[in-house]
Amino acid sequence: GQSLEQPSEVTAVEGAIVQINCTYQTSGFYGLSWYQQHDGGAPTFLSYNGLDGLEETGRFSSFLSRSDSYGYLLLQELQMKDSASYFCAAQDSNYQLIWGAGTKLIIKP
Amino acid sequence: NAGVTQTPKFQVLKTGQSMTLQCAQDMNHEYMSWYRQDPGMGLRLIHYSVGAGITDQGEVPNGYNVSRSTTEDFPLRLLSAAPSQTSVYFCASSRSDPGTVYNEQFFGPGTRLTVL
Repeated sequence: GQSLEQPSEVTAVEGAIVQINCTYQTSGFYGLSWYQQHDGGAPTFLSYNGLDGLEETGRFSSFLSRSDSYGYLLLQELQMKDSASYFCAAQDSNYQLIWGAGTKLIIKP
Repeated sequence: NAGVTQTPKFQVLKTGQSMTLQCAQDMNHEYMSWYRQDPGMGLRLIHYSVGAGITDQGEVPNGYNVSRSTTEDFPLRLLSAAPSQTSVYFCASSRSDPGTVYNEQFFGPGTRLTVL
């Protein structure tokens, strides 16, 4: 079957760096994307990796290793507003997104 | 631009009732999709459309119908509501078929549906 695994919850301190890992198993794979969702809100796009390596967008970076079926989202200089759930989503052979269950990021002052 | 809009925001149905969740986008996006999100789970694709007049099934299509008569609108119909369909429903759109090049998906605010 198709699945993505990510930790259910991560806790970090304001100003710190946190990494959220994602491993995937899909029938075909075109890329890995990351979305942020605040409680009661809609998912919003953060980043996409179609090739191996690191993509950087401001305080957020995302990494992909196709050979390891693994990726991660790196959040730097954490702010309280970064408290949210973060989802990885893999694009499968039908170009559809298969979503992980999400990682709840808790930030402490 | 309003982006992606969904109505209603909240809905309570009784088992066996039917209803239509509305979704509209004003970004001239070709690709639109419907997801459901259950507590502690990621989004699961119900149906999608790569353009007006074209729809296809996603991961969990049973109990739902869609149509795409215009680029802007993509309604989702629940044929006979069941308690298992209690969920949050999100509509999303993106610039083109994700098979060509990946485009970020823009999500509507969601419809919170409870089936009693």
